Amino acid sequence: KNQVEQSPQSLIILEGKNCTLQCNYTVSPFSNLRWYKQDTGRGPVSLTIMTFSENTKSNGRYTATLDADTKQSSLHITASQLSDSASYICVVAGNAGKSTFGDGTTLTVKP
Amino acid sequence: DSGVTQTPKHLITATGQRVTLRCSPRSGDLSVYWYQQSLDQGLQFLIQYYNGEERAKGNILERFSAQQFPDLHSELNLSSLELGDSALYFCASSVTPGQRDEQFFGPGTRLTVL
Repeated sequence: KNQVEQSPQSLIILEGKNCTLQCNYTVSPFSNLRWYKQDTGRGPVSLTIMTFSENTKSNGRYTATLDADTKQSSLHITASQLSDSASYICVVAGNAGKSTFGDGTTLTVKP
Repeated sequence: DSGVTQTPKHLITATGQRVTLRCSPRSGDLSVYWYQQSLDQGLQFLIQYYNGEERAKGNILERFSAQQFPDLHSELNLSSLELGDSALYFCASSVTPGQRDEQFFGPGTRLTVL
């Protein structure tokens, strides 16, 4: 069964600090992996998309990495800001065309 | 702004009732997806349409149905509502039918069943 597991479930950090969120998946065969940011009560917004051949992709202070061999991805946030407080969702698409969503990591950035 | 619009923003209704949620995809997108997100839960994929045809089905209840019209807008119909149906309902769209493509999400409709 295709699964996407994210850790930690929640995280609290101080403004200005860095953090790393993890995503492990069992989806096979693999097509791509996407990270979304979802503010409370709002629709998710895409941060990065990575295919099998890409092992890192950046979007401003967000950097995603992918290890397709170990089926792990991480999202690193640099110099966190209060506006980074949100849920971060990992989504993995298989070649069959179906996407599997993780339950998300809730990040709280405190001043 | 993703370009995906959803109406209404909020909906309050009673158990046993029926409601219709509406979604207009981004200009040029042919595929529409519906998701349910209950309080403090992850996104649950309900159903996908591509160019008017049902493409994929997820955990959609039999009390729920959807369709995509020739102008590509989509409606999600929820009937015989129960308290547990209270949730945020999101619509997303993409250019092609493959779920591997980036999906652009609308702002959601918050449904409250009393």
